[in-house]
This record gives sequence, structure tokens and C-alpha cells, in this order.
Amino acid sequence: NAGVMQNPRHLVRRRGQEARLRCSPMKGHSHVYWYRQLPEEGLKFMVYLQKENIIDESGMPKERFSAEFPKEGPSILRIQQVVRGDSAAYFCASSPRGTSANEQFFGPGTRLTVL
Amino acid sequence: AQKITQTQPGMFVQEKEAVTLDCTYDTSDPSYGLFWYKQPSSGEMIFLIYQGSYDQQNATEGRYSLNFQKARKSANLVISASQLGDSAMYFCAMREGQGWGKLQFGAGTQVVVTP
Repeated sequence: NAGVMQNPRHLVRRRGQEARLRCSPMKGHSHVYWYRQLPEEGLKFMVYLQKENIIDESGMPKERFSAEFPKEGPSILRIQQVVRGDSAAYFCASSPRGTSANEQFFGPGTRLTVL
Repeated sequence: AQKITQTQPGMFVQEKEAVTLDCTYDTSDPSYGLFWYKQPSSGEMIFLIYQGSYDQQNATEGRYSLNFQKARKSANLVISASQLGDSAMYFCAMREGQGWGKLQFGAGTQVVVTP
């Protein structure tokens, strides 16, 4: 059973470009979470999605950031018009549906560098 | 307000010794979960141990144990018989409420195990 997959692992963008980060949850998992880790800091929650629904986006910046988890395909975190402050590691985690799911399984992260 | 506090930015521990990593939390929700994750220099997030707020016994997983003191709102991680491979950043996290929902992370503690 493959773990949570994220791609790309490293992404370099120039200021003003768009960044698209992909996350494929573990098989059978329908809950996806995105977190951001700035250098030398802990992870900060961004958004929680289930298939085709955003459940909690309280951690998402109001502008330039969006996320989706379509019925088919991976979850996408999209950052428009990137700025240097967006440079960070972006982690996706997934958990199964059904009974109380205690653990979130993390992907390896995407390291975004904005030049 | 900070929900998870890890007061130790870094620690040195000798191989084979035990080490305790401090974590205090703040919540008014009677139902919550506490997690510890390890982040080695390679960057991935590795789940170590989980404690539910209603669990009567302290959680243990191999060399990891969680010293859960509910009245003090503390959830310290104890690593017994430290190994060189334990050198990493360790994060405490909390999920408020039952089942699914975002994790809130502390700032982390850097552990260095010396021979």
C-alpha cells in the first residue's frame, strides 16, 4: 500500500509565476490536509478537504492560494503570483474515512523555492 | 494564543540514555488527541505516538512513551535507550474534537544524540 505521494518534491518558481502542488492520498483515504512549514518553524495548518469539498480553510491565506480535491485525481494546492515569502515546505497528509481516525499520514513534502 | 508549547528548542543526549521532550497544550475541548512526530534531516514527517484525551493509560510504542498528565495539560515524550538515528526534530501536535480535523503543531525540539 503506497503512502501519501506528493509531487514535485522540489519546485522552483520566479516571483509572479504560479505553483501547483499535487498530493495523492493513501488508497482508501478520503480526507486530505495541507500544511506549510516555513524555515526553522513547525507546521502550520492550511486547509482540510474531503472529496469535492473544502471542510476547513481557516489557515489559508485569503489571496493567491486555493485548494481542491476533485472526485477523480489528486488534491491540488495552487499558489498564484508567488512571492519570496511563499518559499517553504508544503506537506500533505491523509486519513481514512469511517471511524475516528487518529493518525494523519504525511507525504514527503514539496519544497517550494521562489527566486 | 499558542495551543501547543514546546519550551526546549534543542537537547543533547548521549547514546543509550533516556530523554524527555516537554509539551504542554491548551484547549477547552474535553475531546482531543495528542501526537508526536519526528522529522529527520531528510524532511519527512514520521508519526511516533498518539494519546487520546479519554485514554486511561499512557501510550507506548516501542522505545517511545507518552507521559500524559491531563490536569497539568502536558504530554511529554520519553525516548528510552537513545540511538544515533533518533537525532531529529520532534514535534508535538494536538487535534481538538473527535476524529478528523486539523493538527496544531508546536515549534519543535531538536534532539542530537551523541556517541
